[in-house]
Amino acid sequence: EVQLLESGGGLVQPGGSLRLSCAASGSSFNTYVMSWLRQTPGKGLEWVADIYTGQMKMKTYHSDSLRGRFTISRDDSKSTLYLQMNSLSAEDTAVYYCAKLSGSGTYALSAYFSLWGRGTLVTVSS
Amino acid sequence: ESVLTQSPATLSLSPGERATLSCRASQSVSNNLLAWYQQKPGQAPRLLIYAASNRATGIPARFSGSGSGTDFTLTISSLEPEDFAIYYCQLRREWPPYIFGQGTRLEIK
Repeated sequence: EVQLLESGGGLVQPGGSLRLSCAASGSSFNTYVMSWLRQTPGKGLEWVADIYTGQMKMKTYHSDSLRGRFTISRDDSKSTLYLQMNSLSAEDTAVYYCAKLSGSGTYALSAYFSLWGRGTLVTVSS
Repeated sequence: ESVLTQSPATLSLSPGERATLSCRASQSVSNNLLAWYQQKPGQAPRLLIYAASNRATGIPARFSGSGSGTDFTLTISSLEPEDFAIYYCQLRREWPPYIFGQGTRLEIK
């Protein structure tokens, strides 16, 4: 059974940067469309970014509000997903999840989140 | 922008009872691309239902989804103790691609 495990969270000062990682078990990571999401008590669950497979040129999509500060990437040789976060503020404090996308119908590759990691807490505070 | 409204915010029921959770979209959900998730304290969400009415792998038959257009329902036919959790609906659209509801807390009465 595939499992996802995030790491890299922690306490960071406002204006700082952090890189999150998500390691996938199993041998088919290169076929997965992957996402980052975050969750806060105030705003609930929020989508951050998607990255498609090498066959789809690793196309990426980012939330409008986070584009320019957050960047999703992947290293299929390491079965690992990344999220680079820059210029962090208190509003970015959240639990960050990586998730595997699955699809149906019009969105055959990316309609719902079929597998989630356990999450990693990012706290932005001085 | 499409919004998902879940009701009720909190539902208090006893084990063995039937639970009916609602999710209403402000615009029609194309191809019924609506999913339901369960989240327990300290855990990640878990996919229950996709495409409005399809149970995900390993999900018990007491969970069912229905609806189309703007109104969707998650039904738990007979509550087990492990079903008390927060439930979220999520739609897929062109942009922004994923919208989540604010959640319904299912608590033990």
